[in-house]
Amino acid sequence: RKEVEQDPGPFNVPEGATVAFNCTYSNSASQSFFWYRQDCRKEPKLLMSVYSSGNEDGRFTAQLNRASQYISLLIRDSKLSDSATYLCVEEYGNKLVFGAGTILRVKS
Amino acid sequence: DVKVTQSSRYLVKRTGEKVFLECVQDMDHENMFWYRQDPGLGLRLIYFSYDVKMKEKGDIPEGYSVSREKKERFSLILESASTNQTSMYLCASSSLAGKPFEQYFGPGTRLTVT
Repeated sequence: RKEVEQDPGPFNVPEGATVAFNCTYSNSASQSFFWYRQDCRKEPKLLMSVYSSGNEDGRFTAQLNRASQYISLLIRDSKLSDSATYLCVEEYGNKLVFGAGTILRVKS
Repeated sequence: DVKVTQSSRYLVKRTGEKVFLECVQDMDHENMFWYRQDPGLGLRLIYFSYDVKMKEKGDIPEGYSVSREKKERFSLILESASTNQTSMYLCASSSLAGKPFEQYFGPGTRLTVT
């Protein structure tokens, strides 16, 4: 069983829309969580960390729910440049465990 | 800016060949990683290293070995390539002192084994 599960999508949204992704994890002892972004044919890059108290960075908000073991990413006012694959990541045992990713396509 | 480079963007090898994938980082990072990325499976950790001459198995080490003779260089070796090793291979590095969870990735090597 994969340790980090994501809806693969794709999520097709118009510019300006708000879109949310969820991700579930199975290791209750996992220490930290992150969202990485991977553009088409490019390498993954860290987008933001995820905290129980929530973490906001501009149009992006990440949230962790330990009781239900899920992580969320909310993108407001979507831009064409937000089109990418979003990878949910947990830190477990000093390693990063990556989800398979959720594809977002923002259309004009 | 951190730069992680990989020796080839595309590689085609025959079954049974020995394959070397090279990775070099220029930020004096202690940690280096090798992943493979396959559709629907995401990134899976093959091997990692926290120091020179040190290596640890990841989740899928079978059929692979690694070498880290210098801090900036981490090599992945496929002793006898097989078709099920056709994949995108990504190298990454991170710093112990900064944010160890922030891994910087190379552009990847797309390996095809025929």
